[in-house]
Amino acid sequence: QKEVEQNSGPLSVPEGAIASLNCTYSDRGSQSFFWYRQYSGKSPELIMFIYSNGDKEDGRFTAQLNKASQYVSLLIRDSQPSDSATYLCAVNWYSNSGYALNFGKGTSLLVTP
Amino acid sequence: DGGITQSPKYLFRKEGQNVTLSCEQNLNHDAMYWYRQDPGQGLRLIYYSQIVNDFQKGDIAEGYSVSREKKESFPLTVTSAQKNPTAFYLCASSIEGDGSYEQYFGPGTRLTVT
Repeated sequence: QKEVEQNSGPLSVPEGAIASLNCTYSDRGSQSFFWYRQYSGKSPELIMFIYSNGDKEDGRFTAQLNKASQYVSLLIRDSQPSDSATYLCAVNWYSNSGYALNFGKGTSLLVTP
Repeated sequence: DGGITQSPKYLFRKEGQNVTLSCEQNLNHDAMYWYRQDPGQGLRLIYYSQIVNDFQKGDIAEGYSVSREKKESFPLTVTSAQKNPTAFYLCASSIEGDGSYEQYFGPGTRLTVT
């Protein structure tokens, strides 16, 4: 089984600060990486995806990918209390029966006013 | 509006009963997936389907069954053989099943078996 590891947290940051969420993965063949946000009791919501090494920015969110080191991170600038949620990292991998996404257990983020 | 619907939102069943969870999408996506989430756990893949009339087992398929007779629909049956069926069940879809495309999730069904 391919592994996707995330620090469970909680990660606590003050409002307006930068939140940094990290994820490592074990399958060197993985090509697609996704970040989802999940509020308590709700389903995951896609925030960003990244395929190439480097940074990808979308509003207050930046995804960073380093395939050589096998990590992907998510930066949230100007954090807001509404960003408080669990963030799931997902990595694609190829099994005998096709492609699937492997999810980490998530990092809980708490943004304090 | 395009999206994924799951019904019901909450489901209660007695032990020993089979139960079917509905998942419908109008996104014209080829691939559909079923996950299970337990408290404090990540998502675990139960079954997935890349095209109509075809599906594959995921990591925890034992005690579950699926069908994919229509592109829009991917129902999941939780059978009495599933030892710990109480969980949050999530259905997802993507344009294709080659792993390159993002998956979009439905609102989920919370199943409680007593």
